Amino acid sequence: GAVVSQHPSWVICKSGTSVKIECRSLDFQATTMFWYRQFPKQSLMLMATSNEGSKATYEQGVEKDKFLINHASLTLSTLTVTSAHPEDSSFYICSTKGRDEKLFFGSGTQLSVL
Amino acid sequence: DQQVKQNSPSLSVQEGRISILNCDYTNSMFDYFLWYKKYPAEGPTFLISISSIKDKNEDGRFTVFLNKSAKHLSLHIVPSQPGDSAVYFCAAVNYGGSQGNLIFGKGTKLSVKP
Repeated sequence: GAVVSQHPSWVICKSGTSVKIECRSLDFQATTMFWYRQFPKQSLMLMATSNEGSKATYEQGVEKDKFLINHASLTLSTLTVTSAHPEDSSFYICSTKGRDEKLFFGSGTQLSVL
Repeated sequence: DQQVKQNSPSLSVQEGRISILNCDYTNSMFDYFLWYKKYPAEGPTFLISISSIKDKNEDGRFTVFLNKSAKHLSLHIVPSQPGDSAVYFCAAVNYGGSQGNLIFGKGTKLSVKP
């Protein structure tokens, strides 16, 4: 199966700063990557779909100006949480899509905003 | 409103016994279901799936059962092993929906005791 590398694994930052999370597809070219978020005791929720060479598609309720997604190459997508606040503290995880709807996930990033 | 529900946050089973993880869904448009397994500090990994045209799919120690009339699926692990201890997520997708938009349950933490 596909291997997806995500880093950093843990981020602690001050309120108001921006944080960039990288997601790399290591063994195949991914034209589409997905970004999920999981708050404690909640489900994984799709935030946005990242498309190589074009604008990301955001799910309802997700602020596109706050969560900037860049998918400049077929192997790299980045999520930047701009002006992070404590309520943005969450587990962020990326994935690429294989056959039959199977998703291959990165290891996730735990963001804590102080 | 949760479309995919895993009502048991945790389950403890003795090694060698059967583990049964349950999942209920509300959206009758779902036509493909997946189970993911997640170890601490790692991303979810695909475990087993089932199409709505089937009622059972088996892969080694893992079997998924689907009851469409009850909108219920379950994952059976027989025999359970300590290495199976992880969080298990149920997910569902509507092929007509947007790509990558798997709807996840909140997960069930399985502990297999030696």
